[in-house]
Amino acid sequence: NAGVTQTPKFQVLKTGQSMTLQCAQDMNHNSMYWYRQDPGMGLRLIYYSASEGTTDKGEVPNGYNVSRLNKREFSLRLESAAPSQTSVYFCASSFSGTSTGELFFGEGSRLTVL
Amino acid sequence: AQTVTQSQPEMSVQEAETVTLSCTYDTSESNYYLFWYKQPPSRQMILVIRQEAYKQQNATENRFSVNFQKAAKSFSLKISDSQLGDTAMYFCAFMDGSSNTGKLIFGQGTTLQVKP
Repeated sequence: NAGVTQTPKFQVLKTGQSMTLQCAQDMNHNSMYWYRQDPGMGLRLIYYSASEGTTDKGEVPNGYNVSRLNKREFSLRLESAAPSQTSVYFCASSFSGTSTGELFFGEGSRLTVL
Repeated sequence: AQTVTQSQPEMSVQEAETVTLSCTYDTSESNYYLFWYKQPPSRQMILVIRQEAYKQQNATENRFSVNFQKAAKSFSLKISDSQLGDTAMYFCAFMDGSSNTGKLIFGQGTTLQVKP
């Protein structure tokens, strides 16, 4: 079982460059999420998709866009990367909003913006 | 707005001993869930334990148990018989049960080192 798969796992960008983080889950989950993890700040929600066809802003959406391509895939795009976006990004999914509350996470993507 | 606070950035414990990680939260909701997630050095987040706010009984999962104090808005994690594999960062998290979004609000995390 692959679970939640994120690509790439590591990426170095220059300021102003763009990139897309890909996420796919094979658990038939309805809801998907993008979080960023920074030292001393825990995980903060960037965007989420409660169900296929919907996306909503989280706590820190500025500088990001998302696409829920289908039920399996949820991508995160940085249009013009900034050093403040240096972080570890996690994609997660859950069956539905409050069925068990358990989120299943990918292994993370470490992004460095120079 | 809901908040989650973990006031212990780092802790250490000797193997086989017991350690307690603290978490406090703030909410005006009555329907919510609380979680402890573990993040080992491999970075993959894993659910450790879950507590529904409407349940008075503290959740337990093998060596892991919680002390849920609803009035005090406190949710601590106790790890008994600590093992080297428990070395990880631990995150406390809150979910509003009245929302259908499944969003989690995380605390800052506590890094736990288990020493041999």
